[in-house]
Amino acid sequence: EAQVTQNPRYLITVTGKKLTVTCSQNMNHEYMSWYRQDPGLGLRQIYYSMNVEVTDKGDVPEGYKVSRKEKRNFPLILESPSPNQTSLYFCASSLRDRGTGYTFGSGTRLTVV
Amino acid sequence: GENVEQHPSTLSVQEGDSAVIKCTYSDSASNYFPWYKQELGKRPQLIIDIRSNVGEKKDQRIAVTLNKTAKHFSLHITETQPEDSAVYFCAASQAGGGADGLTFGKGTHLIIQP
Repeated sequence: EAQVTQNPRYLITVTGKKLTVTCSQNMNHEYMSWYRQDPGLGLRQIYYSMNVEVTDKGDVPEGYKVSRKEKRNFPLILESPSPNQTSLYFCASSLRDRGTGYTFGSGTRLTVV
Repeated sequence: GENVEQHPSTLSVQEGDSAVIKCTYSDSASNYFPWYKQELGKRPQLIIDIRSNVGEKKDQRIAVTLNKTAKHFSLHITETQPEDSAVYFCAASQAGGGADGLTFGKGTHLIIQP
């Protein structure tokens, strides 16, 4: 089944404790992206990747890192999480021509206390 | 960068009536406009999209219209049903080019009243 898999689905952590949210897709998509969703603010792009070893900042990159060492994986790293990073996170992927639309992962609900 | 405005933020309609959600975009280079539906607790899912060389597209009870001159596009849902209740997001991008991805509107919470 074609899908984008995110893990974990739910995570509660403490301020300053490094964490990684994984994202993997099995559709051979070149383009991958991370979004955060907050009430009243919609979906805001954190980072995106056009292909292996090519990443760039989105609209809200502060406090996040990403890597794209393999085409299928695009992990999101929070080196020192803070409470304002409490949010619902979505990974998405698409073909290089984004006229085909995104496929989203199931989401990760992160709480930083 | 692109900016997408979406209205209204909440829309309540009677079952069987039509619903219209409107979006405007700022970047005249944008040429791909998808709409996503997000049910409570679930991921956004693509329901319909339109490219800038087309003015209207229909798929059963849903349709999208695009006015490139006004930089405006709309989602139309006819004969609304309870299962249409969800949050709907519009988005814009430059398909096939450009470095950045989809820019989303802030969403419309559609409520279908029985």
